[in-house]
Amino acid sequence: DGGITQSPKYLFRKEGQNVTLSCEQNLNHDAMYWYRQDPGQGLRLIYYSQIVNDFQKGDIAEGYSVSREKKESFPLTVTSAQKNPTAFYLCASSISGSGYTFGSGTRLTVV
Amino acid sequence: AQSVTQLGSHVSVSEGALVLLRCNYSSSVPPYLFWYVQYPNQGLQLLLKYTSAATLVKGINGFEAEFKKSETSFHLTKPSAHMSDAAEYFCAVSGVLGGNEKLTFGTGTRLTIIP
Repeated sequence: DGGITQSPKYLFRKEGQNVTLSCEQNLNHDAMYWYRQDPGQGLRLIYYSQIVNDFQKGDIAEGYSVSREKKESFPLTVTSAQKNPTAFYLCASSISGSGYTFGSGTRLTVV
Repeated sequence: AQSVTQLGSHVSVSEGALVLLRCNYSSSVPPYLFWYVQYPNQGLQLLLKYTSAATLVKGINGFEAEFKKSETSFHLTKPSAHMSDAAEYFCAVSGVLGGNEKLTFGTGTRLTIIP
């Protein structure tokens, strides 16, 4: 079955560390997105990509980086510059007019 | 620009009672509108979508929503609540992001079902 796979489900980061969250889709969707979710704040867009080798900043890109070397993959790196990284991270993909398909999320905690 | 407002961050209903979750939108173009559901520690799942074909949209799990242009609303309803409906619900409106679709989400409504 087609879908989006996010890994790991839970991730712990030490202060000053970079960590990478994986997102893979087999839906043949062109567009992919990363959102951050905090209690009471809904979903905030971090980065998005419409085609391979191209991506744009969303509303809260500072302290994050992405790459899009393959259509199927859109990994997110949370850098040490992100001062408050503890959150639930959601990856999504879309094809025009159909809304988004979401992965099951990665919960990142700073220890 | 598009935006959505969900009225009520928390809603509680008794099992078997009507569920009504409110969503108002703002859009400079005819909108596409969506409702998503999220269970704890999971991603969002599409409940239903409005894409201008019919104003009353039926979705999964017995939910439906009615698009009312005059009221700029897209409220979600279910005639009889079930314990399994307890979750967080997000309304979203579609805009255009560099030629592709961008969804703007509301802040969510947490639904609690009272036995």
